[in-house]
Formats: sequence, structure tokens, C-alpha cells
Amino acid sequence: GENVEQHPSTLSVQEGDSAVIKCTYSDSASNYFPWYKQELGKGPQLIIDIRSNVGEKKDQRIAVTLNKTAKHFSLHITETQPEDSAVYFCAAPPNGYGNKLVFGAGTILRVKS
Amino acid sequence: EAGVVQSPRYKIIEKKQPVAFWCNPISGHNTLYWYLQNLGQGPELLIRYENEEAVDDSQLPKDRFSAERLKGVDSTLKIQPAELGDSAVYLCASSLDGRNGDNEQFFGPGTRLTVL
Repeated sequence: GENVEQHPSTLSVQEGDSAVIKCTYSDSASNYFPWYKQELGKGPQLIIDIRSNVGEKKDQRIAVTLNKTAKHFSLHITETQPEDSAVYFCAAPPNGYGNKLVFGAGTILRVKS
Repeated sequence: EAGVVQSPRYKIIEKKQPVAFWCNPISGHNTLYWYLQNLGQGPELLIRYENEEAVDDSQLPKDRFSAERLKGVDSTLKIQPAELGDSAVYLCASSLDGRNGDNEQFFGPGTRLTVL
């Protein structure tokens, strides 16, 4: 089955700096890669996703890159702000476009002002 | 538009007691998911419904956990009897049509269960 590993587990950055979170997956058939943000006391919320037919996707300060050969994808946040502080999860579906997502263990991002 | 609604938000029970969680998905969403989230971990799928049919319950501990989605809308997840290790957050999510695997999953706020 799919195995998703996420690094680092915690990340502290200064406000205005960039943050990068990386995930690796094991199932080469996976071809949809979402990133979720979870704030305290709330459920995860999708912030960006990428499909295997593209290598990069950007939405304002957030970008995701995908390397299918190496089976890893990364979340990039530029010009970080205190409200970016949260837990971020990557996920991947086993067996291609499955509707079952396997989540990484999460990264606690702290943006210091 | 209302998001995924879950109740209760918090529940404290003693071990061996039963407990039930309720979820109302976003209107029009055919697919409903129940996830378990342990502290410091990502969500883990327990069961997925396509309308009223449970199509993936391989991760559901069927000796004590049960779920239903009558009429393909609201869903209830039950634990009987609860054990100490069941303490966690139980998340409900929904998507338009989970058969199209890249549909966004919308999560509710979760129910935090504490078993004493």
C-alpha cells in the first residue's frame, strides 16, 4: 500500500522568510497530491493540490512542486506570515486516482514575528 | 454555504461505555468519509461511503466500531464498548463524488473523544 513520509516534523521560520515542507510517497501509480492546512481545533483544509501531468503549481504565496521520477513533492510558502502558523499535511492516493487518501504525519509550522 | 457539521465537538466517557458521533455532509456531496486522527498524526481513513453504500471499510475495527449512512446523507459512527486507546479526534469529510478521486475533501471540525 501507499506510504507517505513528511519532513520536517516541525519548522520555525522568521516572518517574511520562506518555508519548505517535503513529502515522499511509495506508490508510483499515485497521481494526485493535495496539501492540507489544519489550525487548532479545526479540521484540515485543502490549500493547494497538484496532478501528475504538471510539475509545478502556484497560488499567490503558495506553490507545490512534483517530481514523479523521484516520487516526492514539496510545499513552498514564501513571505510567511504569522497566520501561516498551523499544521500542514501532505497526502497521496494509493492506486492512482483513488478517493482514499493516505496522509503524512504532519509538519508544525511556526512563523515568528 | 454550510460546511461539514459534526456533533458533539467534545465527548468524555468512561471505558466500556458506548459513544456515537454524528456528521452532516455538505449538501449534494455523495461521498462521506470518517477519519481517525491521533495526536501528532495525520488523519487515517476508517470508512468511506458512496451515497448509502460503504465501499471501503477495511480500516474499521468491526468488533467495536460501526457506522451507518441512512438515506445517503447524514452519518453516525459508533463505538461500543470504548477503550482507552480510542481517545482521539474523529473527523468527518465529504466530497462531491469520491469515485473521481481527485475531488477535494471538505473536513468538519471533528469530535474530540476522551476515554477515561
